[in-house]
Parts: sequence; C-alpha cells; structure tokens
Amino acid sequence: DIQLTQSPSFLSASVGDRVTITCRASQDIIVYLAWYQQKPGKAPEVLIYAASTLQSGVPSRFSGSGSGTEFTLTINSLQPEDFATYYCQQLNGYPGTFGGGTKVEIK
Amino acid sequence: EVQVVESGGTLVQPGGSLRLSCAASGFSVNANYLTWVRQAPGKGLEWVSVIDSVGATIYADSVKGRFTLSRDDSKNTVYLQMSSLRFEDTAMYYCARDVGVRGLDPWGPGTLVTVSS
Repeated sequence: DIQLTQSPSFLSASVGDRVTITCRASQDIIVYLAWYQQKPGKAPEVLIYAASTLQSGVPSRFSGSGSGTEFTLTINSLQPEDFATYYCQQLNGYPGTFGGGTKVEIK
Repeated sequence: EVQVVESGGTLVQPGGSLRLSCAASGFSVNANYLTWVRQAPGKGLEWVSVIDSVGATIYADSVKGRFTLSRDDSKNTVYLQMSSLRFEDTAMYYCARDVGVRGLDPWGPGTLVTVSS
C-alpha cells in the first residue's frame, strides 16, 4: 500500500500568514492527490484534486502543487475560517490512503 | 443536489454486528463508486472500503473478512455490514461519492459506531 507522510502535524499561525503543508508519498502517484479540510464536528471537504486543481467554490488563497512523491498545500493570507485540520489523500489506487493530518491553529 | 447520508451507527458490544446505510440522492449508486472512511475519536482519517459501479468491492486490511459492502439499487443505498466488531472499530463512519482523480465528494455527515462492553 502507498503511505503518505504529512508534515507538520501541527502548526500555529496568525491571520494573514502564508502557510505550507507537505505530503510525501512512498511511491510515485503522478498527480493523483487530493487535499481536504475538516472542521471540528464536520465531515471533510475536498479543496484540491489532481494535486493542483481547485475544487469549485474554494477560495483562490488555497493552492496545491507537486507531482511524483512530493506535494504541497499552500494557504495565502490565512483567514479565521481556515483554522482546521487538513488531510492529503492519494488517488492512484486502492486503498486510498490518507496522510496523518495537519492541524492549523491560531497563534 | 448531490448528497449522501449515513445511518445505523449505535453502541454495540465487542464481537457484535451492525449494518450501516449510505443513502444517496442526486446521483445513482449503480453508476458511481462509493467509499467508506472512518475516523476514530481524536484521530485521523482511515480509508475503509469501496464499491464500484458494477458492485466490485475492495477493503482495507484492518476490516477484510469482517466488513462487507452491498448495494440496493432500488433504494439507491449502499450498506456496510460490520461483524466481529472490535474496540478499535469505534469511529465516526463516513461515506462519500468517489469521483476518482477528483477525490471524495460529497461526504455525508457521518454516523457514530461505538464498540464497548
């Protein structure tokens, strides 16, 4: 199975900051990676798929990049509603493993 | 509106069985893939299983042989039959439409399964 290593697992940031989250795959997954945002008590929602394609309705301050085994999620100018936990998921076959998550908290 | 809603979660004893339902609307389950994901309290997301448009299924090693997916096309519903439940199966269970390289979208609100004596 493909393993995903997400870092950091926790980050503290301020409103207006630029934050970057990394997801590393144990083998080449081309661009078959999605990013999700999960707020407390809610189901996850897809933000980005195919590594860099923004889901409809997602603010443009979110962006994704990468290919192969290394991927990043960047949030430019962090907003209060962005404080949440973020997960990557590989879509290059089943099981569709998830990264361990990154919790973004207010500094 | 495309949506899925899970139901059936409850408190069950170790070794017991439970069936979860995932009712879909706005799309046909027999023309799509449906994936189940679970989240233990305070933990991350764990991929559990998928059923494809022809009814083929794949399971995570952690549930293989104990969980079974099925589908009722007339009710547009997918079922997750869970047996030989263990303490470590305690989690919120989510179903989601699996749109391949576009990820899982939408997700249901989840249904809570608690395995406890």
